[in-house]
Amino acid sequence: GDSVTQMEGPVTLSEEAFLTINCTYTATGYPSLFWYVQYPGEGLQLLLKATKADDKGSNKGFEATYRKETTSFHLEKGSVQVSDSAVYFCALSEKGAQKLVFGQGTRLTINP
Amino acid sequence: DGGITQSPKYLFRKEGQNVTLSCEQNLNHDAMYWYRQDPGQGLRLIYYSQIVNDFQKGDIAEGYSVSREKKESFPLTVTSAQKNPTAFYLCASSIDGDNTGELFFGEGSRLTVL
Repeated sequence: GDSVTQMEGPVTLSEEAFLTINCTYTATGYPSLFWYVQYPGEGLQLLLKATKADDKGSNKGFEATYRKETTSFHLEKGSVQVSDSAVYFCALSEKGAQKLVFGQGTRLTINP
Repeated sequence: DGGITQSPKYLFRKEGQNVTLSCEQNLNHDAMYWYRQDPGQGLRLIYYSQIVNDFQKGDIAEGYSVSREKKESFPLTVTSAQKNPTAFYLCASSIDGDNTGELFFGEGSRLTVL
């Protein structure tokens, strides 16, 4: 079945550091890929998405590129802020599958 | 404002009791979902519904039940048959079942079994 694997956390960085959170996936078809973010005590919010190979999703300074050849969708940000501290989830959705498959989440803490 | 409202935010239950978690949305979305979140395990799908009066089991439906009598409402009952019910429960919706990537989530309900 479909699955998503994220780098294990927690990840702790200093403010203005470069961020990468790795995400790889296994899917039978050509899924859409997503990053969701969960701030403390809240539900999840869609951060960015990509629907086909080589697409780049971007939002709030975060970027991720859909790499079909490596089945990856790594999340990057050039300069993180304390306010980026949250749990980040990579997810996929196969067309017609009617549901989202999530990775285990990566907790990110940014220190001032 | 449109959104998803879950209640209660915190709930304590004794072993052997059923409990119902509420989820209401005013986004006019067709599809609704219940996920369970445990530390280090991400989100796992419990049940989902694409239209009123219809729902399907997700990956971990055992010990749970749902109903979808109204488009706006998708309550989840955690029954006494659920062996490890302590968790954070998230309700979500999407415009329709084919657009499952863009889910809108509620703020969650944290259930603790004493």
